[in-house]
Amino acid sequence: KQEVTQIPAALSVPEGENLVLNCSFTDSAIYNLQWFRQDPGKGLTSLLLIQSSQREQTSGRLNASLDKSSGRSTLYIAASQPGDSATYLCAVISSGNNRLAFGKGNQVVVIP
Amino acid sequence: DTAVSQTPKYLVTQMGNDKSIKCEQNLGHDTMYWYKQDSKKFLKIMFSYNNKELIINETVPNRFSPKSPDKAHLNLHINSLELGDSAVYFCASSNRGLIHYGYTFGSGTRLTVV
Repeated sequence: KQEVTQIPAALSVPEGENLVLNCSFTDSAIYNLQWFRQDPGKGLTSLLLIQSSQREQTSGRLNASLDKSSGRSTLYIAASQPGDSATYLCAVISSGNNRLAFGKGNQVVVIP
Repeated sequence: DTAVSQTPKYLVTQMGNDKSIKCEQNLGHDTMYWYKQDSKKFLKIMFSYNNKELIINETVPNRFSPKSPDKAHLNLHINSLELGDSAVYFCASSNRGLIHYGYTFGSGTRLTVV
């Protein structure tokens, strides 16, 4: 059974600092890994999708890396802004059962 | 707008009632899902339908019954609601054959049972 862990569970950073969010998964047999953002009381917004054959994806200030063999992904957010305050969720689709499994999220607060 | 839309957004009801949540996607995806987000914000899959056929059925009480009239719709009916059913329920969709394109989620239905 795939298990996804996100560290740290919560963090606060001053505006302008770079954010580093870590995700690990136990079964490396995955189709892809997806990072989502969830604002309080809101739905999930897809940020980046990395195929199992890719090493990283970039969108604006966001960069996500994937090391499938070691079961790790990192989401980098450059020059953080207060608007980046949210919960970031990591999820993987396991190739064994085609299921999307989530971590418990990284709750981020960017202090102005 | 292409999206996954679910209704209602909020649902407050008494214990013992029966309620339904509706979900529709216009993305042309062939697979739809229901996820439950508990009070600790953990998302867990409940059901999945592929082309109207049930393919995932996690350990969910029989009071929960999904219904898929066509591949663009997946509704969730809940009988005899209990306090512990209070949560946020998310609908999602994907193309199973093109699974590398990822999942798209709806905005959620916050269910409160009183």
